[in-house]
Order: sequence, then structure tokens, then C-alpha cells
Amino acid sequence: SYVLTQPPSVSVAPGKTARITCGGNNIGSKSVHWYQQKPGQAPVLVIYYDTDRPSGIPERFSGSNSGNTATLTISRVEAGDEADYFCQVWDSSSDVVFGGGTELTVL
Amino acid sequence: EVQLVETGGGLIQPGGSLRLSCAASGFIVSSNYMNWVRQAPGKGLEWVSIIYSGGSTYYADSVKGRFTISRDNSKNTLYLQMNSLRVEDTAVYYCARVGSGYGGEFDYWGQGTLVTVSS
Repeated sequence: SYVLTQPPSVSVAPGKTARITCGGNNIGSKSVHWYQQKPGQAPVLVIYYDTDRPSGIPERFSGSNSGNTATLTISRVEAGDEADYFCQVWDSSSDVVFGGGTELTVL
Repeated sequence: EVQLVETGGGLIQPGGSLRLSCAASGFIVSSNYMNWVRQAPGKGLEWVSIIYSGGSTYYADSVKGRFTISRDNSKNTLYLQMNSLRVEDTAVYYCARVGSGYGGEFDYWGQGTLVTVSS
């Protein structure tokens, strides 16, 4: 089955840039979606199809995907961005796969 | 406005059964790919099952043979029948819609319903 690997935690100071990676075998050939989840809440889509942003999501959120790594980038990080972030792909052998999640801490 | 509301969670003994419901509004369940995703306490998201618009169903290996996904078109509702429940099935269960077909994003999620399997 297909495996997505995320760092358990990322820390960043307010106003700086956070980069959360999602590793997978030739993930660049797949479409990657990213979700933000705050404590006690359902996940919220923040990036879809590698780089697209749903309406209502700030332009500070962006995505990229190439080779074996997809990256969610959050620019000018704010305290309100503190959350867990999950990447997700579809795979022919596993249907839907989620990464293990990354806890973003704003220092 | 698209809305998903899950119900049916609760405390159940190991080996028991439970049926979760996900009532949808603002769109037609049978025209979309619908999923169940679960999250054990303090853990990440785990995909559980999908029902395609054509009716095909698929399951994670961890629930295959025990869980059944279905829908009632007249009620615009998604279901998850869970049998032979195990302690490790304890989780918040979310229903989620795929926004743009196979390979697409989960664009709407319900608020989740907690299932606790314990003696």
C-alpha cells in the first residue's frame, strides 16, 4: 500500500514561513490535497490539486509537488495557523491515503 | 449551503454493532463520491470506506468484512454499518464528500460522531 510520510511537528515564529512536507514514492505523479485541523474540529481543505486554494483560504497558503515530496507552505505565519495539517492522495492500490499529520506550533 | 451531519455514535461493547448516519443537505449524495474517515483519540486521519456515485464500494483493510457503507437516496443520507466492533475501532467518525470525482479533494466534512468501543 502507498505510504505518505510527514514530520510529526514543525515550529515557526510568527511572521515567518512554515514548510510542511509530505513524502511518497513518486508523489509528483499524483494530486495532493492538504487539510488543516484545529483541536475539536473537523478537517478543513486548504490546498487541493497540489496548488489550488479554496475560496476563503488566505493567499498565505500555497502548495507544490514534485518528485518524491509535496510541500505545504504557509507564509507570514499567524497564531491562528497553529493546527494539525494532513496531506492526502488517491492510490490505485489503497484508494484514499492520508499522511500521518504534522503539528504546526507557532512560537 | 452544503452540510453534513453525522449521528449514531456512542458507547458499545466489543463485538457489538452500530450504525452511523450522515444526513446531507445542499447536494445529492447519490451523485457524489462519499466517504467515511475516522480519527482515533490523539491520532491522525484514517480513511475507512467510499461509495462511488455508481454504487461501487471499497474499504480499508482494517474494516473489510466488518463494516458496510450504503446510502438511502430518498433520505439523501449516507450510512456506515459497523459489526464485530473492536476496541481499536474507537474513534471520531467523519463523513466527507469528494468535490471533483476520482482523485479529488474532500471538500466538505461533517462535524464527526464519536464511537467508543469498550467493556
